[in-house]
Amino acid sequence: AQSVTQLDSQVPVFEEAPVELRCNYSSSVSVYLFWYVQYPNQGLQLLLKYLSGSTLVKGINGFEAEFNKSQTSFHLRKPSVHISDTAEYFCAVSGAGAGTALIFGKGTTLSVSS
Amino acid sequence: EAGVVQSPRYKIIEKKQPVAFWCNPISGHNTLYWYLQNLGQGPELLIRYENEEAVDDSQLPKDRFSAERLKGVDSTLKIQPAELGDSAVYLCASSQRTSGRLSYNEQFFGPGTRLTVL
Repeated sequence: AQSVTQLDSQVPVFEEAPVELRCNYSSSVSVYLFWYVQYPNQGLQLLLKYLSGSTLVKGINGFEAEFNKSQTSFHLRKPSVHISDTAEYFCAVSGAGAGTALIFGKGTTLSVSS
Repeated sequence: EAGVVQSPRYKIIEKKQPVAFWCNPISGHNTLYWYLQNLGQGPELLIRYENEEAVDDSQLPKDRFSAERLKGVDSTLKIQPAELGDSAVYLCASSQRTSGRLSYNEQFFGPGTRLTVL
């Protein structure tokens, strides 16, 4: 079985500052890792994913994440945030292979202020 | 191309009443998922369909929840009777197997139905 822990429930940050949203996972098998963003009253949108290969993954909107197998982490980073990045961010894991469901963390609320 | 469509977007009902949610996946997507998202939590899988077959319904509370995906396209999730604790957002997602060495299905999510049970 897999599980996901998002270490921060809320992250306040000023515009143009860097940000890191932390995610740790637990699994006894190979996994795929994902970050999703959810804007108010909208569905989830995929930011980026790690399936295999390079441990540094780049996604949309300037976000990137690094897979660290030894620390079982998949932290999300952005060097300079904008007001429009204010949203809920979810880390998710699935077993490696097609069709398996996603296991989500509880989410991190990123609040960007000017 | 249209995304995953869900209706209604919002629903308010009295407890013990029945309620139904509808989902139309992206055209050509054979896998359909229903997730439950409680306030302040991440989504949790309720049921997954491969075409018209429910292949994972282990988390669906079968005493009051039911789902169907006739003809392997759109799907309906029903609650009867609804309880106060069912107030949540119900998300539908769909996916299609990608080709290549890594077998992976990217899930596309609809906007969800926000249910309030009074």
